[in-house]
Amino acid sequence: TQLLEQSPQFLSIQEGENLTVYCNSSSVFSSLQWYRQEPGEGPVLLVTVVTGGEVKKLKRLTFQFGDARKDSSLHITAAQPGDTGLYLCAGVKRKYGNKLVFGAGTILRVKS
Amino acid sequence: NAGVTQTPKFQVLKTGQSMTLQCAQDMNHEYMSWYRQDPGMGLRLIHYSVGAGITDQGEVPNGYNVSRSTTEDFPLRLLSAAPSQTSVYFCASSYSSGGAHEQYFGPGTRLTVT
Repeated sequence: TQLLEQSPQFLSIQEGENLTVYCNSSSVFSSLQWYRQEPGEGPVLLVTVVTGGEVKKLKRLTFQFGDARKDSSLHITAAQPGDTGLYLCAGVKRKYGNKLVFGAGTILRVKS
Repeated sequence: NAGVTQTPKFQVLKTGQSMTLQCAQDMNHEYMSWYRQDPGMGLRLIHYSVGAGITDQGEVPNGYNVSRSTTEDFPLRLLSAAPSQTSVYFCASSYSSGGAHEQYFGPGTRLTVT
């Protein structure tokens, strides 16, 4: 059982559409990170959210940390083919010695 | 800065063989980690280090050894390769930024064990 559940597992949309990816847990995290990974490369950090209810924006990407710090979402507005990739959420729990726990990821394909 | 580098990029081993995956970082990060990535399972922590001379086990440590003699290098040793170790391996470095430990990943090593 994954400590962090991501949904959907796979998303295929047309260029210009909006989408939301979810990262859920029954556990509280001290912070949560989102990474994006392209084929054949390592993940690259997009954002870190720390405070419950926090919202961060990165161009067309909006990240939100749940009030209870158990879940997070990533919303992409007007998706572009360049957004295609694997999106991973990762949580930090102090009780695990600040080690990162990763979700299984959401594969996003944006068709032109 | 090169960031995090990993060698080799690809490797094929026969069952029972041993090998070392190399990882180096030039960012003077105190923390380094090894993950494996398998389809549908995200990234799972194998071993990690909080500084030179200090290592600890992660979620899936069996069959792997690590050491950290310098801040820069963190090699991962496969003692006796098994088909279950076929995976993509990522090394990462990080520093503690308010406890967030944002990871900088290398490009990965794709390992196949036959």
